[in-house]
Amino acid sequence: DTAVSQTPKYLVTQMGNDKSIKCEQNLGHDTMYWYKQDSKKFLKIMFSYNNKELIINETVPNRFSPKSPDKAHLNLHINSLELGDSAVYFCASSPGEGPNTGELFFGEGSRLTVL
Amino acid sequence: KQEVTQIPAALSVPEGENLVLNCSFTDSAIYNLQWFRQDPGKGLTSLLLIQSSQREQTSGRLNASLDKSSGRSTLYIAASQPGDSATYLCAVRLIYSGGSNYKLTFGKGTLLTVNP
Repeated sequence: DTAVSQTPKYLVTQMGNDKSIKCEQNLGHDTMYWYKQDSKKFLKIMFSYNNKELIINETVPNRFSPKSPDKAHLNLHINSLELGDSAVYFCASSPGEGPNTGELFFGEGSRLTVL
Repeated sequence: KQEVTQIPAALSVPEGENLVLNCSFTDSAIYNLQWFRQDPGKGLTSLLLIQSSQREQTSGRLNASLDKSSGRSTLYIAASQPGDSATYLCAVRLIYSGGSNYKLTFGKGTLLTVNP
């Protein structure tokens, strides 16, 4: 199926650990994103990549490091996890041209719990 | 800085009723506006995308309108069904300005409950 897929769906880990979340899209989109949804369900952008280049870095701590090996993948690595990092992280992608330019398609989310 | 507000925060209606969800934004220089639904524990599903040159979009029982000058959009749901129960989110993308074009600003959503 064509989609934005991210793994793992659930991640429970101890404070101080390092973890990664992977994202892949097979929609042929040029732009990929990471969003964070906090406990109050508010969605906020973290990063955006266009054709593997970083476009947006929204004052995210440098413990968060995105990596885009190609335009179909955008992974998120988090170092030294803190309690406040607990949230649902959503990957998304959007086309860069055509009638639906800018329309976002989201993955199912990765729920991170830091103990 | 773009701010997006959704009213009401929660809405409960009986099945079959027509309803309107509201979204307002402070910066009218938008590229497009997108409505999503989010079911509990799930990702966001795109419902309708309205480009800045359009005034409305329709999909089945859903109709979204856009009035850039007043900074408002509405999502109209006709003949609501229990399966429509979800959180509805509005998101706005600014016209390109550095990296702004790549960023959607989300409202906090309206939690809709349709009672059988």
